[in-house]
Amino acid sequence: DAGVTQSPTHLIKTRGQQVTLRCSPKSGHDTVSWYQQALGQGPQFIFQYYEEEERQRGNFPDRFSGHQFPNYSSELNVNALLLGDSALYLCASSLGQGAGGYTFGSGTRLTVV
Amino acid sequence: SQQGEEDPQALSIQEGENATMNCSYKTSINNLQWYRQNSGRGLVHLILIRSNEREKHSGRLRVTLDTSKKSSSLLITASRAADTASYFCAPYSQAGTALIFGKGTTLSVSS
Repeated sequence: DAGVTQSPTHLIKTRGQQVTLRCSPKSGHDTVSWYQQALGQGPQFIFQYYEEEERQRGNFPDRFSGHQFPNYSSELNVNALLLGDSALYLCASSLGQGAGGYTFGSGTRLTVV
Repeated sequence: SQQGEEDPQALSIQEGENATMNCSYKTSINNLQWYRQNSGRGLVHLILIRSNEREKHSGRLRVTLDTSKKSSSLLITASRAADTASYFCAPYSQAGTALIFGKGTTLSVSS
């Protein structure tokens, strides 16, 4: 049973560029949440998608946007990259309202130079 | 959504010793979840305790929950070097709200 798959695993981008990160949820899960984790910090909640709608959003600027597809997979897009966007981006999937816990992917390490 | 606050921020012990880390939260919860993160990897769900439970065990893990004090503790018995990781608690308050993580407790187990 495949868990959460994220791609790519590593990415280097230049300031001002745009990036798209992808996430395939665990089989049977329908909710996807995205987190940004800077070095030495806890994961910061970006947003959550359920039924192809953004259900909840954390304190992130509009440069961060997302999408969920009918097959429950999701994308995170970041425009106008800043050096401070360098971080590990984690995707987590859950079933329904998420009360049973999240399954996390291994993350995408984004470096902005 | 609400964030859990883990304490201590860092903990160093020897192999074979027990490790205890604590979590506090602010408002009523449906359940509280503990996660582990090895360096640079994704989080792994360890254990979930419901608001009507006081204690739960899973292998070498023991979790307690005191809803009157809005706190939880995670005990790892007979620690191993492989337990070296960051540990996060996540209070789940109500349906449809995302999990919010704090800074975690970084556990170092030396042999």
